[in-house]
Amino acid sequence: DGGITQSPKYLFRKEGQNVTLSCEQNLNHDAMYWYRQDPGQGLRLIYYSQIVNDFQKGDIAEGYSVSREKKESFPLTVTSAQKNPTAFYLCASSPGLAGVNTQYFGPGTRLTVL
Amino acid sequence: GEDVEQSLFLSVREGDSSVINCTYTDSSSTYLYWYKQEPGAGLQLLTYIFSNMDMKQDQRLTVLLNKKDKHLSLRIADTQTGDSAIYFCAHGAREAAGNKLTFGGGTRVLVKP
Repeated sequence: DGGITQSPKYLFRKEGQNVTLSCEQNLNHDAMYWYRQDPGQGLRLIYYSQIVNDFQKGDIAEGYSVSREKKESFPLTVTSAQKNPTAFYLCASSPGLAGVNTQYFGPGTRLTVL
Repeated sequence: GEDVEQSLFLSVREGDSSVINCTYTDSSSTYLYWYKQEPGAGLQLLTYIFSNMDMKQDQRLTVLLNKKDKHLSLRIADTQTGDSAIYFCAHGAREAAGNKLTFGGGTRVLVKP
């Protein structure tokens, strides 16, 4: 089955710790995205990557970091510098074709800072 | 800047039709999308429409696009309890960096038996 997987589904972290969220896709998509969703709100873009070894900041990149060493993987690290990290994190991928913006989403990871 | 607006909440009786509305400001949109999010889950792509189309029908779903008014709607016929979810509209601007999408805040649809 082709798709996007995120792990873990639930993650708990103590204040001051870094934590890495996993995102893997086997759709052979070039582009990948990380969003943050807070209760009752829409999606805000954290980082995106159009191609391996390249990524760009989104609207709320502060306190987050990413890497794109492989086409199928786009892990997100939530650092201790992120002041309010408790949220639902969604990863998405897209074919990356010019002018075609369709994004497909993973099931999400809910991060709670204790 | 780009903006996408949706009403917050819609209540509908089972078997009736639901209409979810969305307005956007960016006139350079190429594709416009509707996504569905069930509690605790990711977003599921429901349907999309290309900006040179007025209407698209897909089983119980009908998408209407009024490009002049920058208004997009999603009609769900014969609404079922399984249609209770949050619905997001999104648009992709032509030549948007990284093929980014701009999402509305979502409309929570509650289907009553």
